[in-house]
Amino acid sequence: NAGVTQTPKFQVLKTGQSMTLQCAQDMNHEYMSWYRQDPGMGLRLIHYSVGAGITDQGEVPNGYNVSRSTTEDFPLRLLSAAPSQTSVYFCASSYSPDRANEQYFGPGTRLTVT
Amino acid sequence: GQNIDQPTEMTATEGAIVQINCTYQTSGFNGLFWYQQHAGEAPTFLSYNVLDGLEEKGRFSSFLSRSKGYSYLLLKELQMKDSASYLCAPLEGNYQLIWGAGTKLIIKP
Repeated sequence: NAGVTQTPKFQVLKTGQSMTLQCAQDMNHEYMSWYRQDPGMGLRLIHYSVGAGITDQGEVPNGYNVSRSTTEDFPLRLLSAAPSQTSVYFCASSYSPDRANEQYFGPGTRLTVT
Repeated sequence: GQNIDQPTEMTATEGAIVQINCTYQTSGFNGLFWYQQHAGEAPTFLSYNVLDGLEEKGRFSSFLSRSKGYSYLLLKELQMKDSASYLCAPLEGNYQLIWGAGTKLIIKP
């Protein structure tokens, strides 16, 4: 199993550009989520999905869209990049979203917006 | 409100023992996770406590006191590879993980 994969690993965007961060998992996990991690702060939840066709907003959803057409894939779309979106983005999955289920994280995408 | 407090940075010596504390205030508490994150890498699961007491897993142990809103991660026989950040994350309700900023642990020879 490849686990959770993310592409690209690094990305530089100009303000106003859009792009999609890819995330895939091959563990048949129902729950998938996107976090951003900034220095000195905890992981913050952007969007999450409890199954194909179902998505919901997390703590910091503004400026991001998601979709979940298959169990395996959960792409994150930046609509119009802003310097405040410079961060490290992690995708994570777990068997189910409820208690006691460890999350498996992808390697992260390091995004810089100039 | 939600609040998690853990030290920003700690230093310890190879072979020693270190305890990383975490205090939290959440509503609907449903257990607490600890994750390890090496610099430039993704977090990886260490432990989950839902009942009061100590859970031991090899060199790592995790303790929870629900009444005090307190947990700690105990690392024994420290190795250089234990240099990493340790993230405390209480579970609120069934779905909401609240992440602390993490404690950076530096191991010196």
